[in-house]
Amino acid sequence: TQLLEQSPQFLSIQEGENLTVYCNSSSVFSSLQWYRQEPGEGPVLLVTVVTGGEVKKLKRLTFQFGDARKDSSLHITAAQTGDTGLYLCAGRYNNNDMRFGAGTRLTVKP
Amino acid sequence: DSGVTQTPKHLITATGQRVTLRCSPRSGDLSVYWYQQSLDQGLQFLIQYYNGEERAKGNILERFSAQQFPDLHSELNLSSLELGDSALYFCASSVDDGSGGFYLNTQYFGPGTRLTVL
Repeated sequence: TQLLEQSPQFLSIQEGENLTVYCNSSSVFSSLQWYRQEPGEGPVLLVTVVTGGEVKKLKRLTFQFGDARKDSSLHITAAQTGDTGLYLCAGRYNNNDMRFGAGTRLTVKP
Repeated sequence: DSGVTQTPKHLITATGQRVTLRCSPRSGDLSVYWYQQSLDQGLQFLIQYYNGEERAKGNILERFSAQQFPDLHSELNLSSLELGDSALYFCASSVDDGSGGFYLNTQYFGPGTRLTVL
């Protein structure tokens, strides 16, 4: 059973469009990370958020951590074909428990 | 290239068999983590070692075991293999696990080993 729910599961958009993907849990995270995984490769860390309400920007990517630390979102502005990949969120619940969501598979078409 | 190496890249074996997956962490990283990624379960944390000692355990089956050697490379042993064990197995490493968990540590993932059990 996944403790983290990611939505949507699949997303296909045109280059230049904006998009938002979500990561939700019924439990409080002490920290949360977003990763991107490309086919045939391991996940690559994009960001770590720790404080409720925190917003971090990485070029065209904006990450937000919910005030209650139970949810997070990733917004991509003006998507490019290079953004295509599997976006995973990973939440830490206690000192030694880290869970990944099933991911959002994003396809950006030229 | 993350600096983490995993061998073999692909492994095909039969049910009931035993296999060993190998991981070499980035130079200087003391922590090694093992994950299993399958289509229906997503990425599942299995186990973490820090400087040769087991530090954290996730959803690791009793048929699976791991160890980290003095040179910091790690091996994941999978025995009595079942069809459902077919998956991608990733190793990740980080410099330090800080408080004893994953807190704020950047994990660098290897390219994975694809295991197929027939």
